[in-house]
Amino acid sequence: NAGVTQTPKFQVLKTGQSMTLQCAQDMNHEYMSWYRQDPGMGLRLIHYSVGAGITDQGEVPNGYNVSRSTTEDFPLRLLSAAPSQTSVYFCASNKAGASNEKLFFGSGTQLSVL
Amino acid sequence: AQSVTQLGSHVSVSEGALVLLRCNYSSSVPPYLFWYVQYPNQGLQLLLKYTSAATLVKGINGFEAEFKKSETSFHLTKPSAHMSDAAEYFCAVSLSGGYNKLIFGAGTRLAVHP
Repeated sequence: NAGVTQTPKFQVLKTGQSMTLQCAQDMNHEYMSWYRQDPGMGLRLIHYSVGAGITDQGEVPNGYNVSRSTTEDFPLRLLSAAPSQTSVYFCASNKAGASNEKLFFGSGTQLSVL
Repeated sequence: AQSVTQLGSHVSVSEGALVLLRCNYSSSVPPYLFWYVQYPNQGLQLLLKYTSAATLVKGINGFEAEFKKSETSFHLTKPSAHMSDAAEYFCAVSLSGGYNKLIFGAGTRLAVHP
């Protein structure tokens, strides 16, 4: 059982470049989300989705786009990378239902923007 | 607005000593509270969660946490630290109802020395 799979694990970009971080889950979870982790700030929610075709903004959405065409996949797009987007990115999924459902996290993507 | 404060970004204990990681929250409604653990180069894993069923919550790996409404606290404890407990620990809060947007604390890095 793979769980939540993120690719790539590491990425270096130049300012202004674009890229897509991939996230896939095989648990048939309705909810998926993207977080970024920065030192001393914990994890902050970027975007989330409660089902295919439905996405919404989290706490820090600027500079990022998402779409959810299937239940399994939830890619995160950086259209024009900036140094402020240097961070570790985590994708997570969980079942719909009560708000106490636990999140399953991927192993993260470490992104550096030069 | 909800928030989470973790007191102490770094905690160091001896192997076999008590582990105490502090978490205080603010929420205008009864919250759901979580502790997640992150081992090096991995995503977060759920340690335990409070869902109002019982104020003392037992989690995995011998950890437990007590919800104290009067103190707005949800401190994490373990009677005897093991070397394998060295990791970063995150407290998180979510509102009941709807998509569970988790608000994370900044994290506490636990070091365990022989």
